[in-house]
Amino acid sequence: KNEVEQSPQNLTAQEGEFITINCSYSVGISALHWLQQHPGGGIVSLFMLSSGKKKHGRLIATINIQEKHSSLHITASHPRDSAVYICAVMYSGGGADGLTFGKGTHLIIQP
Amino acid sequence: DTGVSQNPRHKITKRGQNVTFRCDPISEHNRLYWYRQTLGQGPEFLTYFQNEAQLEKSRLLSDRFSAERPKGSFSTLEIQRTEQGDSAMYLCASSINRGKNTDTQYFGPGTRLTVL
Repeated sequence: KNEVEQSPQNLTAQEGEFITINCSYSVGISALHWLQQHPGGGIVSLFMLSSGKKKHGRLIATINIQEKHSSLHITASHPRDSAVYICAVMYSGGGADGLTFGKGTHLIIQP
Repeated sequence: DTGVSQNPRHKITKRGQNVTFRCDPISEHNRLYWYRQTLGQGPEFLTYFQNEAQLEKSRLLSDRFSAERPKGSFSTLEIQRTEQGDSAMYLCASSINRGKNTDTQYFGPGTRLTVL
């Protein structure tokens, strides 16, 4: 079964801390997405990666294709970063072309 | 607002009733996806369209679920004879696909369904 595993499931940290969220997947992919979901349901796409590293503001996403692993980092975390962060992959094999999602990491940044 | 929109935002229905949700994608986006998200879980893929063609529907949860995109613009998702287990957030996303599966999907706000 093609699965996406995220860790940790829950993370509480103090404002200013460096945050790392991990994602691993089981088979070859064409792309990996990091998404942010706030209470109420809205999902925002943060990054789409097929190799290497991307940076946007205080957010950094990396992917290691050989190890089938990706990380999302938040530098100088702030309470407004509190949200659920979801990793999702598009598998490169045949079949359905929708994303396969992890269960999400619930991040709380305390002031 | 030129983002993905979904209507209604909330729907409460009684078991056994039919419900229909609408998704308006970002204009010029040729792909449209439907996902379902239950409490505490990540979304799960249901179906998607490339223009008006439904390219994958084997992941629809049962034959009570159907989706259409008749003119390649907006889409509807219908659930017939709703059950309490259908209570969830139904998410729509759209993207521009240029031949590779590396397009960014833009999500709508979702329709929260509660089946009593």
